[in-house]
Parts: sequence; C-alpha cells; structure tokens
Amino acid sequence: EIVLTQSPATLSVSPGERATLSCRASQSVDKFLAWYQQKPGQAPRLLIYDASNRATGIPARFSGSGSGTDFTLTISSLEAEDFAVYYCQQRSGWPPDLTFGGGTKVDIK
Amino acid sequence: QVHLQESGPGLVKPSEALSLTCAVSGESISSACWWTWVRQSPGKGLEWIGEIYHSGTTNYNPSLKTPVTISVDKSKNEFSLKLESVTAADTAVYYCARQVVVGGAVDWFESWGQGTLVIVSS
Repeated sequence: EIVLTQSPATLSVSPGERATLSCRASQSVDKFLAWYQQKPGQAPRLLIYDASNRATGIPARFSGSGSGTDFTLTISSLEAEDFAVYYCQQRSGWPPDLTFGGGTKVDIK
Repeated sequence: QVHLQESGPGLVKPSEALSLTCAVSGESISSACWWTWVRQSPGKGLEWIGEIYHSGTTNYNPSLKTPVTISVDKSKNEFSLKLESVTAADTAVYYCARQVVVGGAVDWFESWGQGTLVIVSS
C-alpha cells in the first residue's frame, strides 16, 4: 500500500496570504495524484487531478505541482471560503492501490 | 449532472451486517466509471472501501478488516454496500461516489453523495 503523508497537519494563514500544502508518497505515483477540499459537514470536492490540472469550476488561485513522490498544492491568495481540510489521493496499479493522505487543515490565523 | 444519494440505517448493532444503498440519478449506472464507497470515521480522514464497475467487476481495500461486498442493480440504477459483522470501528460517515477518467488515464472522485452517518452500537 502506498502511504501518502501530508504536512503540515494544520496550517494557520491569514486571508489574502499564500498557502502551501505538501503531500509525500511512500513510492512513486508518477503524476497520478489528486487534491480534494472538504468543508465541515460536506463531501470532499475534487480540486486538482493528475497532479497539476484544475477540475471544472475550480478557481485559478488553486494550483498543483509535483511528480513521483513529492507534490504541492498552492492556494495563491486565501479567501474566506478556502478555509477547509485538504486531502491528497492516489490510485495506482491493478488491482488498484487507492489511498488518501491524512489531510491538512487550513484555518484562519 | 449526476446525483448520488446514500440510504440505510443510521444505527447498527455490533456483529450485525451494515447495508447501504446509493441511488444514482442523472446518469446510467452502466456508464464507464467506477461506483465507489468511501468512509470517514468521526474526526478522521478518508478511507476507500471499494468499487464496482457496471460489468460487476469489483475491487476492495485489502486493508479492511471487515468483510465487504459491493453490488450493482442496473434495473434500479443503484449500487450497494454490505459490511459483515461490524464493530465500533466501523462507525463512520459513509459516502458513495463516482470515479471517472478526468484527465485521460486515471479515475478520480468526480462526484460524491452527501454522506450518511452509521453508528455501530448496542
């Protein structure tokens, strides 16, 4: 099983500031990593797929980068609606190995 | 636009079976995607349970301790989850979701149900 380790566990940021979230895989997942946003009481929402592609309707302030084992989600200028928990996820191999990271909570500083 | 809705009992006794159904609307369950169950224990992260294709092909998380079965009912356009002999550790919000190939190679969780809380307690 590929383990995804997200850091930091909590990130305190002021509105308008930049947030950088990390996801590290225990072995290479090539570019096959996604990022999700989850707000309290809601289901996760796909933000980024294939490491760097924004999903439909996702604002340009969200960007993803990385390949292999190290990935980053950047929120260029945090807005009030962006305070949430963010998860990375990978799917690889057959039968599939599908795992989520432990999450990074972005809260208001 | 696809809509997924989970249904099932909110309370299950330990050692009994947990059964949930996900009704799919706005899309045929025979479309090219993986119909999936994910759970989230209170205050915890996300855990993939398993998935089914309309052909009946299934994949399950090998790390799960509880025996799991996912099935599909094309006539009702829905798919179901059954966990056998649950314990308190199976208490969680259960989500049904759809994985589709968004970028061209790998399936990602593109649509989710709202989730349903299942508590395992006597």
